[in-house]
Amino acid sequence: QVQLQESGPGLVKPSEILSLTCTVSGGSVRSYYWSWIRQPPGKGLEWIGYIYYSGSTNYNPSLKGRVTISVDMSKNQFSLRLTSVTAADTAVYYCARAEQLTIYDPWGQGTLVTVSS
Amino acid sequence: QSALTQPASVSGSPGQSITISCTGTRSDVGSYDLVSWYQQHPGKAPKLMIYDVNKRPSGVSNRFSGSKSGNTASLTISGLQAEDEADYSCCSYAGGSTFVVFGGGTKLTVL
Repeated sequence: QVQLQESGPGLVKPSEILSLTCTVSGGSVRSYYWSWIRQPPGKGLEWIGYIYYSGSTNYNPSLKGRVTISVDMSKNQFSLRLTSVTAADTAVYYCARAEQLTIYDPWGQGTLVTVSS
Repeated sequence: QSALTQPASVSGSPGQSITISCTGTRSDVGSYDLVSWYQQHPGKAPKLMIYDVNKRPSGVSNRFSGSKSGNTASLTISGLQAEDEADYSCCSYAGGSTFVVFGGGTKLTVL
């Protein structure tokens, strides 16, 4: 079965770039939508965006201009890049496969990213 | 503030039924039958429980059901069990530039 695993730094300084990678195993990124979703401590889930395997993307308007999602089919991975981070970007970041834009399954285990100097 | 409104908490006793509401607008919940529900235990990733308003993925108990009326979607859990204690979040397609919105989550306590 398909499994997803996030990786990347757990601590990022304010104004710097948050970069995370999601490695897909047991399946290929050459189909489906691939998404990033985050959850600030004690708060609800927030959709960040998705990339389709063809390369088309769509992002949460509240993050537009700061977020980029890319896919590397040779490594079976997709990545998140969020620039100019602030403390408000502190959250558990999840990657997930989306069969359709509201069907997220499976999810990665999540990785906590803290923005602090 | 989340785009979809859910009660902060609900509770019920084992064997009872509970319903969690998810209120949006006619731009999201009210316009599309694309509502999903996720269960999340502490420290764990969310798990898909319901999609397309009322469909259950393979492996999800038939104690879980979904419905929608107007701008409000609902998740009903019947025959409450201790392991149902978790946070539940709704998600809806919103179209336009917003695309996808989540609710703030509801903590279910099994008394």
